[in-house]
Amino acid sequence: AQSVTQLGSHVSVSEGALVLLRCNYSSSVPPYLFWYVQYPNQGLQLLLKYTTGATLVKGINGFEAEFKKSETSFHLTKPSAHMSDAAEYFCAVSLAAGNKLTFGGGTRVLVKP
Amino acid sequence: KAGVTQTPRYLIKTRGQQVTLSCSPISGHRSVSWYQQTPGQGLQFLFEYFSETQRNKGNFPGRFSGRQFSNSRSEMNVSTLELGDSALYLCASSLASTESSYEQYFGPGTRLTVT
Repeated sequence: AQSVTQLGSHVSVSEGALVLLRCNYSSSVPPYLFWYVQYPNQGLQLLLKYTTGATLVKGINGFEAEFKKSETSFHLTKPSAHMSDAAEYFCAVSLAAGNKLTFGGGTRVLVKP
Repeated sequence: KAGVTQTPRYLIKTRGQQVTLSCSPISGHRSVSWYQQTPGQGLQFLFEYFSETQRNKGNFPGRFSGRQFSNSRSEMNVSTLELGDSALYLCASSLASTESSYEQYFGPGTRLTVT
Protein backbone atom coordinates (compact mmCIF):
# COMPACT_ATOMS: atom_id res chain seq x y z
CA ALA A 1 0.00 0.00 0.00
CA GLN A 2 1.12 3.52 -0.63
CA SER A 3 0.61 6.72 1.34
CA VAL A 4 1.46 10.39 1.00
CA THR A 5 2.15 12.97 3.68
CA GLN A 6 2.21 16.67 2.99
CA LEU A 7 3.76 18.73 5.76
CA GLY A 8 1.76 21.85 6.50
CA SER A 9 -1.86 22.21 5.52
CA HIS A 10 -1.36 25.96 5.03
CA VAL A 11 1.66 27.90 3.80
CA SER A 12 1.93 31.67 3.56
CA VAL A 13 4.59 33.26 1.35
CA SER A 14 5.31 36.77 0.19
CA GLU A 15 5.13 37.60 -3.47
CA GLY A 16 8.57 37.01 -4.97
CA ALA A 17 9.67 34.64 -2.22
CA LEU A 18 10.53 30.96 -2.54
CA VAL A 19 7.67 28.50 -2.47
CA LEU A 20 8.52 25.14 -0.88
CA LEU A 21 5.88 22.47 -0.40
CA ARG A 22 6.89 19.23 1.22
CA CYS A 23 5.76 15.77 0.24
CA ASN A 24 6.88 12.41 1.61
CA TYR A 25 5.57 9.11 0.38
CA SER A 26 5.67 5.46 1.22
CA SER A 27 5.40 2.83 -1.44
CA SER A 28 6.16 -0.85 -1.70
CA VAL A 29 7.40 -0.45 -5.27
CA PRO A 30 9.13 2.37 -7.17
CA PRO A 31 6.45 5.02 -7.33
CA TYR A 32 5.10 7.35 -9.91
CA LEU A 33 4.83 10.79 -8.29
CA PHE A 34 2.71 13.78 -9.20
CA TRP A 35 1.92 17.29 -8.11
CA TYR A 36 -1.48 18.78 -8.87
CA VAL A 37 -2.88 22.25 -8.25
CA GLN A 38 -6.50 23.08 -7.56
CA TYR A 39 -7.93 26.56 -7.88
CA PRO A 40 -11.22 27.40 -6.15
CA ASN A 41 -14.23 25.66 -7.66
CA GLN A 42 -12.11 23.85 -10.21
CA GLY A 43 -10.71 20.40 -10.80
CA LEU A 44 -7.10 19.38 -10.47
CA GLN A 45 -4.45 20.50 -12.91
CA LEU A 46 -1.26 18.50 -13.35
CA LEU A 47 1.84 20.54 -12.51
CA LEU A 48 4.49 17.88 -13.04
CA LYS A 49 5.22 14.19 -12.77
CA TYR A 50 8.07 11.82 -12.03
CA THR A 51 8.06 8.36 -13.51
CA THR A 52 11.64 7.33 -14.24
CA GLY A 53 14.87 8.99 -15.28
CA ALA A 54 15.99 12.44 -14.22
CA THR A 55 15.16 13.10 -10.60
CA LEU A 56 14.72 16.85 -11.04
CA VAL A 57 11.45 17.42 -12.82
CA LYS A 58 10.33 20.70 -14.29
CA GLY A 59 6.67 21.50 -14.61
CA ILE A 60 4.37 24.26 -15.68
CA ASN A 61 4.22 27.78 -14.24
CA GLY A 62 7.86 27.68 -13.09
CA PHE A 63 7.43 24.83 -10.63
CA GLU A 64 9.89 22.00 -10.21
CA ALA A 65 10.26 19.01 -7.91
CA GLU A 66 13.08 16.68 -6.99
CA PHE A 67 12.64 12.97 -6.37
CA LYS A 68 14.89 11.80 -3.54
CA LYS A 69 14.59 8.07 -3.11
CA SER A 70 16.74 7.94 0.02
CA GLU A 71 14.48 10.45 1.72
CA THR A 72 11.25 9.18 0.10
CA SER A 73 10.48 12.78 -0.74
CA PHE A 74 9.18 14.74 -3.70
CA HIS A 75 9.18 18.38 -2.60
CA LEU A 76 7.77 21.08 -4.87
CA THR A 77 9.50 24.42 -5.29
CA LYS A 78 9.14 27.66 -7.18
CA PRO A 79 11.85 30.31 -6.89
CA SER A 80 9.56 33.32 -6.93
CA ALA A 81 5.92 33.26 -5.86
CA HIS A 82 3.28 35.07 -7.87
CA MET A 83 -0.15 36.10 -6.68
CA SER A 84 -1.64 33.66 -9.18
CA ASP A 85 0.05 30.78 -7.30
CA ALA A 86 -2.51 31.06 -4.51
CA ALA A 87 -4.26 27.69 -4.64
CA GLU A 88 -4.26 24.25 -3.04
CA TYR A 89 -1.54 21.84 -4.01
CA PHE A 90 -1.72 18.06 -3.86
CA CYS A 91 1.03 15.50 -4.00
CA ALA A 92 0.01 12.08 -5.28
CA VAL A 93 1.55 8.68 -5.79
CA SER A 94 0.58 5.74 -7.93
CA LEU A 95 2.01 2.32 -8.56
CA ALA A 96 3.13 1.24 -11.97
CA ALA A 97 -0.12 -0.47 -12.72
CA GLY A 98 -3.73 0.20 -11.87
CA ASN A 99 -3.71 3.93 -12.33
CA LYS A 100 -5.06 4.62 -8.85
CA LEU A 101 -3.79 7.88 -7.36
CA THR A 102 -3.28 8.21 -3.63
CA PHE A 103 -3.26 11.85 -2.57
CA GLY A 104 -1.78 13.73 0.30
CA GLY A 105 -3.97 15.97 2.38
CA GLY A 106 -3.12 19.06 0.38
CA THR A 107 -1.35 22.33 1.16
CA ARG A 108 -3.16 25.62 0.73
CA VAL A 109 -0.83 28.40 -0.39
CA LEU A 110 -1.53 32.02 0.43
CA VAL A 111 0.55 34.64 -1.37
CA LYS A 112 0.90 37.99 0.38
CA PRO A 113 1.58 41.12 -1.66
CA LYS B 1 -8.43 18.91 -27.78
CA ALA B 2 -11.36 19.26 -25.45
CA GLY B 3 -10.71 18.47 -21.81
CA VAL B 4 -12.59 16.19 -19.47
CA THR B 5 -16.19 17.26 -19.10
CA GLN B 6 -18.51 16.43 -16.25
CA THR B 7 -22.24 16.93 -16.00
CA PRO B 8 -23.99 18.28 -14.14
CA ARG B 9 -21.68 20.72 -12.40
CA TYR B 10 -23.94 21.18 -9.40
CA LEU B 11 -26.59 18.93 -7.94
CA ILE B 12 -28.81 19.03 -4.87
CA LYS B 13 -30.48 15.83 -3.74
CA THR B 14 -32.40 14.62 -0.75
CA ARG B 15 -31.37 11.80 1.57
CA GLY B 16 -32.51 8.45 0.28
CA GLN B 17 -32.54 9.49 -3.37
CA GLN B 18 -30.14 8.24 -5.98
CA VAL B 19 -27.96 10.22 -8.36
CA THR B 20 -26.08 9.63 -11.59
CA LEU B 21 -23.05 11.67 -12.59
CA SER B 22 -21.55 11.70 -16.06
CA CYS B 23 -18.01 12.06 -17.33
CA SER B 24 -16.71 12.40 -20.88
CA PRO B 25 -12.97 11.77 -21.12
CA ILE B 26 -10.46 13.40 -23.40
CA SER B 27 -10.72 11.97 -26.89
CA GLY B 28 -8.58 8.85 -27.19
CA HIS B 29 -8.35 8.26 -23.46
CA ARG B 30 -9.54 4.82 -22.45
CA SER B 31 -9.24 4.99 -18.69
CA VAL B 32 -11.64 6.90 -16.47
CA SER B 33 -11.22 7.20 -12.73
CA TRP B 34 -13.52 8.72 -10.15
CA TYR B 35 -12.54 10.45 -6.94
CA GLN B 36 -14.48 11.92 -4.06
CA GLN B 37 -13.21 15.10 -2.43
CA THR B 38 -14.46 16.21 0.99
CA PRO B 39 -13.00 18.61 3.56
CA GLY B 40 -12.74 15.85 6.13
CA GLN B 41 -11.42 12.91 4.08
CA GLY B 42 -9.65 14.74 1.30
CA LEU B 43 -9.33 13.11 -2.11
CA GLN B 44 -10.28 9.45 -2.16
CA PHE B 45 -10.27 7.03 -5.05
CA LEU B 46 -13.61 5.48 -5.92
CA PHE B 47 -12.97 3.29 -8.96
CA GLU B 48 -11.35 3.11 -12.35
CA TYR B 49 -12.69 1.82 -15.63
CA PHE B 50 -10.63 0.76 -18.61
CA SER B 51 -12.18 -0.51 -21.80
CA GLU B 52 -15.59 -0.88 -20.13
CA THR B 53 -14.19 -3.00 -17.28
CA GLN B 54 -13.72 -1.95 -13.70
CA ARG B 55 -10.01 -2.38 -13.17
CA ASN B 56 -9.61 -0.96 -9.69
CA LYS B 57 -11.88 -0.14 -6.80
CA GLY B 58 -11.48 1.93 -3.64
CA ASN B 59 -12.96 1.37 -0.21
CA PHE B 60 -16.45 2.68 -0.69
CA PRO B 61 -19.74 0.92 0.07
CA GLY B 62 -21.70 -0.84 -2.63
CA ARG B 63 -24.03 2.16 -2.91
CA PHE B 64 -21.34 3.65 -5.13
CA SER B 65 -21.20 2.09 -8.55
CA GLY B 66 -20.04 3.00 -12.00
CA ARG B 67 -19.86 1.92 -15.56
CA GLN B 68 -18.09 2.79 -18.77
CA PHE B 69 -19.48 2.77 -22.24
CA SER B 70 -17.86 1.71 -25.49
CA ASN B 71 -17.03 5.36 -26.31
CA SER B 72 -15.17 5.59 -22.96
CA ARG B 73 -17.75 7.87 -21.39
CA SER B 74 -18.42 6.93 -17.80
CA GLU B 75 -21.17 7.31 -15.28
CA MET B 76 -21.17 6.86 -11.55
CA ASN B 77 -24.25 6.19 -9.50
CA VAL B 78 -24.86 6.66 -5.82
CA SER B 79 -27.96 5.03 -4.42
CA THR B 80 -29.72 5.75 -1.12
CA LEU B 81 -27.89 9.03 -0.63
CA GLU B 82 -26.62 9.97 2.82
CA LEU B 83 -25.65 13.39 4.13
CA GLY B 84 -22.04 12.27 4.16
CA ASP B 85 -22.11 11.79 0.41
CA SER B 86 -22.03 15.55 -0.05
CA ALA B 87 -18.77 16.13 -1.87
CA LEU B 88 -17.04 17.22 -5.03
CA TYR B 89 -16.88 14.23 -7.36
CA LEU B 90 -13.98 14.39 -9.76
CA CYS B 91 -13.50 12.39 -12.89
CA ALA B 92 -10.08 11.89 -14.45
CA SER B 93 -9.08 10.35 -17.74
CA SER B 94 -5.80 8.99 -18.98
CA LEU B 95 -4.40 7.10 -21.93
CA ALA B 96 -3.29 4.33 -19.57
CA SER B 97 -2.24 0.87 -20.47
CA THR B 98 -2.40 -2.39 -18.66
CA GLU B 99 1.24 -2.13 -17.60
CA SER B 100 2.08 1.43 -16.67
CA SER B 101 0.50 4.48 -15.19
CA TYR B 102 0.06 7.64 -17.17
CA GLU B 103 -0.85 11.05 -15.95
CA GLN B 104 -4.48 11.69 -15.24
CA TYR B 105 -6.37 14.74 -16.44
CA PHE B 106 -9.18 15.93 -14.26
CA GLY B 107 -12.53 17.43 -15.05
CA PRO B 108 -14.03 20.37 -13.14
CA GLY B 109 -16.06 18.09 -10.91
CA THR B 110 -19.68 17.74 -9.91
CA ARG B 111 -20.59 19.36 -6.61
CA LEU B 112 -23.22 17.14 -4.93
CA THR B 113 -25.12 18.44 -1.94
CA VAL B 114 -27.34 16.04 -0.03
CA THR B 115 -29.98 17.62 2.22
